[in-house]
Amino acid sequence: SQQGEEDPQALSIQEGENATMNCSYKTSINNLQWYRQNSGRGLVHLILIRSNEREKHSGRLRVTLDTSKKSSSLLITASRAADTASYFCATDLAYSGAGSYQLTFGKGTKLSVIP
Amino acid sequence: DAGITQSPRYKITETGRQVTLMCHQTWSHSYMFWYRQDLGHGLRLIYYSAAADITDKGEVPDGYVVSRSKTENFPLTLESATRSQTSVYFCASSESGTSSTDTQYFGPGTRLTVL
Repeated sequence: SQQGEEDPQALSIQEGENATMNCSYKTSINNLQWYRQNSGRGLVHLILIRSNEREKHSGRLRVTLDTSKKSSSLLITASRAADTASYFCATDLAYSGAGSYQLTFGKGTKLSVIP
Repeated sequence: DAGITQSPRYKITETGRQVTLMCHQTWSHSYMFWYRQDLGHGLRLIYYSAAADITDKGEVPDGYVVSRSKTENFPLTLESATRSQTSVYFCASSESGTSSTDTQYFGPGTRLTVL
């Protein structure tokens, strides 16, 4: 079952512009992570935001979390051609018994940055 | 090389054949995961493993078998491949699966085509 859903599915912008991607989820979470996937490659972790945080920064990345709306956004400022990739949000689902956490990924937003 | 590797990177097989996808990590991470990535579905968890000799089903386990005799290896076997198993398969690992702040590290993926 899909927990997170990214929006938009695809986004095309000019180099230097800001890119904003959104993620909505259905059930309460402890944390939310964002990953990037370059074409033909595996996913790479970008940033994690905890449920008690509202905003977090990492370089040109800014992530917000609104637990009341069950949504998160990823902002990439001053985008570069190298930012062209798919971006996924991942939320945690606690499994009973084993006490292990797993991530559920959305379908991703495909970002194209045009030089 | 250090990190997480998958082999083969590309595989073409025929319906009914057995196929094994290999995953190897050099970090001694406890948890390992197998995902499949399909258009329109995002990443879906097939199986995961908490440690050597401990495995459990994910969201879409049917038709797959896993084993983990050594911490560093987590092979995925399709016992009798079907066309619906055509997909890109990703292996991932995390240091511990008992914290929802754990980052998952992904391999480069195996593109499997079942004819």
